[in-house]
Amino acid sequence: AQSVTQLDSHVSVSEGTPVLLRCNYSSSYSPSLFWYVQHPNKGLQLLLKYTSAATLVKGINGFEAEFKKSETSFHLTKPSAHMSDAAEYFCVVSGRLDTNAGKSTFGDGTTLTVKP
Amino acid sequence: GAGVSQSPSNKVTEKGKDVELRCDPISGHTALYWYRQSLGQGLEFLIYFQGNSAPDKSGLPSDRFSAERTGGSVSTLTIQRTQQEDSAVYLCASSLDSTNQPQHFGDGTRLSIL
Repeated sequence: AQSVTQLDSHVSVSEGTPVLLRCNYSSSYSPSLFWYVQHPNKGLQLLLKYTSAATLVKGINGFEAEFKKSETSFHLTKPSAHMSDAAEYFCVVSGRLDTNAGKSTFGDGTTLTVKP
Repeated sequence: GAGVSQSPSNKVTEKGKDVELRCDPISGHTALYWYRQSLGQGLEFLIYFQGNSAPDKSGLPSDRFSAERTGGSVSTLTIQRTQQEDSAVYLCASSLDSTNQPQHFGDGTRLSIL
């Protein structure tokens, strides 16, 4: 079984300050982990993915995430928020081909607000 | 086009009618997924296809929901005898295959049941 928990439903930051969106996962095997962003009335766009290579993953738009197995976490960070970062963010855990093939479990999402 | 295309973008229909939603995946992507997103909610997995077969239909909420995929490409999601609780955004995604590849999403179909 697999699950993912996004610890904050809403995060508000000021423009130019750091962003931290928290995600914890549960999986009985080495998972693949993803962060997606969704702007209003749009589909989801991939920010970054972890697939058992480097534990620090760099994505688009200056975002990065660190896989910490001991803490079962995959938090998303950005050093300096921009107004255009305001959106909904989803953390996703994905199953292995031979177990949960194709089955991705999405977190409930975190709404990021960026104040001027 | 280069991305996943969904049609229609918006659909308003009366309770009890049948609706059909269409998804055109990225060319060459063998895996295709359907999700439902209700207002203010996360994504609810409905079904996924690997090629034309659907190994996992566990997310379909009732027997009013069905999906098919032909030619390893276009997929349709059909909802029969629609109910008001079916109102949501239906998102389609595709990926190269189902081995933990990133999913590429369409912009969704916003379905409203009156």
